[in-house]
Amino acid sequence: DIQMTQSPPSLSASLGDKVTITCQASQNINKYIAWYQQKPGKAPRLLIRYTSTLESGTPSRFSGSGSGRDYSFSISNVESEDIASYYCLQYVNLNTFGAGTKLELK
Amino acid sequence: EVQLVESGGGLVQPGSPLKLSCAASGFTFSSNWLNWIRQAPGKGLEWVASINPDGSSTYYPDTVKGRFVVSKDNAKNTGYLQMNNLRSEDTAMYYCEIPGYNFDYWGQGVMVTVSS
Repeated sequence: DIQMTQSPPSLSASLGDKVTITCQASQNINKYIAWYQQKPGKAPRLLIRYTSTLESGTPSRFSGSGSGRDYSFSISNVESEDIASYYCLQYVNLNTFGAGTKLELK
Repeated sequence: EVQLVESGGGLVQPGSPLKLSCAASGFTFSSNWLNWIRQAPGKGLEWVASINPDGSSTYYPDTVKGRFVVSKDNAKNTGYLQMNNLRSEDTAMYYCEIPGYNFDYWGQGVMVTVSS
């Protein structure tokens, strides 16, 4: 089974900051990684698939990159509506979520 | 309008079975995979089952393999998750998800509590 190590578990940012979350897979996942946003009491929302493809409706301040085992997700110019938890997901071999990152306002 | 509506959750005793349903509308249910994902209170997301569009292949993580069975009735536009021999650690919000080529639909979730 593929394991996903996501860091950091929590992140504190000011409005307008750039933040970055990383996920490392236990093996090469060939860019088959997605990133989800989840707000309290809500279902997750897919933001990015296949490393860097933004879903329709995802603001351009969100971005993803990486290859092999190492991937990152960034939010430039954090806005108040971005306060949420974020999860990576590998889907090259079944599905495995990262443990999540909670983004809070400083 | 796309809708996914889960139902069937509730409070059950350890060792009991429970069957969740996911009723779909507004898109071609028969052409798409169906996933079930759960989230224990205050915890992260965990994938628990997948089924291919025609229902001929299913997949599970080791944590539920042998206890959970995913199925779909394309004629009824409904997916199911049969959960057997439930344990306290199965307590969670359960979501159905339809991942598509250029979309990703989620239900609102249904709560399952396993407790004596």
